Amino acid sequence: GNSVTQMEGPVTLSEEAFLTINCTYTATGYPSLFWYVQYPGEGLQLLLKATKADDKGSNKGFEATYRKETTSFHLEKGSVQVSDSAVYFCALSPYNQGGKLIFGQGTELSVKP
Amino acid sequence: DAGVIQSPRHEVTEMGQEVTLRCKPISGHNSLFWYRQTMMRGLELLIYFNNNVPIDDSGMPEDRFSAKMPNASFSTLKIQPSEPRDSAVYFCATQTGGTDTQYFGPGTRLTVL
Repeated sequence: GNSVTQMEGPVTLSEEAFLTINCTYTATGYPSLFWYVQYPGEGLQLLLKATKADDKGSNKGFEATYRKETTSFHLEKGSVQVSDSAVYFCALSPYNQGGKLIFGQGTELSVKP
Repeated sequence: DAGVIQSPRHEVTEMGQEVTLRCKPISGHNSLFWYRQTMMRGLELLIYFNNNVPIDDSGMPEDRFSAKMPNASFSTLKIQPSEPRDSAVYFCATQTGGTDTQYFGPGTRLTVL
């Protein structure tokens, strides 16, 4: 079956610290991989995505590389800001299944000044 | 564009009552997804439509839940009768054909007493 596992939170960092949120997946075929972000009281927003092995998605200083050999899609940012405080969701879209998303459990990030 | 519109934003009801959640997709988006978010189970896909036709309703928890999409501009998720364990945030997301990015609404926070 298809599933996504994320590192548990909450994660608390100081401003300008380096961020890594681990994500691994199980899927048949060749899924697309995503990171979504949810700010308090809001819906989810796409942060970045990658559609094939070795692709790197990037946005707003965040990066993630689609690693087929390790079935991973870890999220990284070199220097976090207080405004990055949110819940981050890793997700996959199984190949040829109409775009449905399967989400990880979410990782809450809190950045302190 | 106004984005995905959901109503109501908050709903408090008593056990046994009927609840109807509404979603207006982004114009031109032909796929629509209903998700439920709880602390215990995270984000779960309930059902999705493509061109107003239900494609996969395997995530609908039980017969008390039903969803319709009578036209390209409107969808409803109904719970009848509601139970306290239905308390959650319900998200609607839409997507245009040929892309793999979903756009989420702000959600409806449902509390069943």
